[in-house]
Amino acid sequence: EAGVAQSPRYKIIEKRQSVAFWCNPISGHATLYWYQQILGQGPKLLIQFQNNGVVDDSQLPKDRFSAERLKGVDSTLKIQPAKLEDSAVYLCASSPRQGDTGELFFGEGSRLTVL
Amino acid sequence: KQEVTQIPAALSVPEGENLVLNCSFTDSAIYNLQWFRQDPGKGLTSLLLIQSSQREQTSGRLNASLDKSSGRSTLYIAASQPGDSATYLCAARRIQGAQKLVFGQGTRLTINP
Repeated sequence: EAGVAQSPRYKIIEKRQSVAFWCNPISGHATLYWYQQILGQGPKLLIQFQNNGVVDDSQLPKDRFSAERLKGVDSTLKIQPAKLEDSAVYLCASSPRQGDTGELFFGEGSRLTVL
Repeated sequence: KQEVTQIPAALSVPEGENLVLNCSFTDSAIYNLQWFRQDPGKGLTSLLLIQSSQREQTSGRLNASLDKSSGRSTLYIAASQPGDSATYLCAARRIQGAQKLVFGQGTRLTINP
């Protein structure tokens, strides 16, 4: 069974530029999460989707971050314009459905460096 | 608001020792608690998941316990090996709301040969 796929693995941009990250969850997983992990810290949830609907985006900086999951499968996270403090690893995770007793499965992450 | 704390931030032990990693949470109304491993530059790998009705889970040399009343979980690693070196994170999921995972900051474990 294929795991959670993310791309690109690494991205270096200058501040005020834009960047997009892509995630393809495990096949059949209805719930998709984007987490931000700053160096030395635990991951912080940015947004959670159930199929193509947003369940929780309370910690998403909506003035610069946006995310979509139009067909309820893969998802894109965009940052525009980027700030220095956005340098982090962006982790995508999926689970079978909201409220399940199962585990979250994470991708390898996309490391962003903002100069 | 749920807060999850892991102490110590870093731990170094000789190979072969048994060790315990600690995780504490402030809100005992959790749905489950999950332990993850993270290797440098990698994503998170799920190790053990404990439901709120369970006391412990075991997988190989790993054993995780959960005590909701005291707001604590521990991860026990038996007969540690250099390959166990990684950062270990715990995460608690609330019963209500969006059931998002709240992570601790992790314990960076080094096993010395």
